[in-house]
Amino acid sequence: GAVVSQHPSWVICKSGTSVKIECRSLDFQATTMFWYRQFPKQSLMLMATSNEGSKATYEQGVEKDKFLINHASLTLSTLTVTSAHPEDSSFYICSARRTGLNYGYTFGSGTRLTVV
Amino acid sequence: GQQLNQSPQSMFIQEGEDVSMNCTSSSIFNTWLWYKQDPGEGPVLLIALYKAGELTSNGRLTAQFGITRKDSFLNISASIPSDVGIYFCAGTSYGKLTFGQGTILTVHP
Repeated sequence: GAVVSQHPSWVICKSGTSVKIECRSLDFQATTMFWYRQFPKQSLMLMATSNEGSKATYEQGVEKDKFLINHASLTLSTLTVTSAHPEDSSFYICSARRTGLNYGYTFGSGTRLTVV
Repeated sequence: GQQLNQSPQSMFIQEGEDVSMNCTSSSIFNTWLWYKQDPGEGPVLLIALYKAGELTSNGRLTAQFGITRKDSFLNISASIPSDVGIYFCAGTSYGKLTFGQGTILTVHP
């Protein structure tokens, strides 16, 4: 149980275009999902907390107009990287938290974004 | 913000050896979690710790939640080649996960 599906697993896009990444909890409902960014050989840095039916909460230094988050249902959150630039190239990982369980942070398999 | 200091940054060991890594923080965390990440994948939970002083095992893995709630260690016994990867500690506070810097483990056959 507790499976999180992230799609796509990798994407290459041109500078200036937008890319949408989906995060789905397959066998549980997640009122809260998290989006992380990870550069090579570095740790996961929390970008934002996505709450179902409300606005996302962004961490300091993360541009909310650039990284649009939508959590329209209890099983789906999306991250859209708008007007992508090469410096946005990174590994993006989502996580979903199971309601009521402390340890219920299940991670997706990540999305490798390359902006050319 | 809250920070977790994880050490060592990397380890090179022979198959069969035991491994130990730890995390410390100046802040108190409600739970401590240990994850393993393989290249190009998301982290996978290894052990979760909920109570100060708790000692938990999962196969060859053993982890403890420090009594002060500010530290934790992970031990891997009798390492095997598939233990290779990056190990992260993580602490929860106010519903958020904060990650340590990671320990890169290399196991030589």
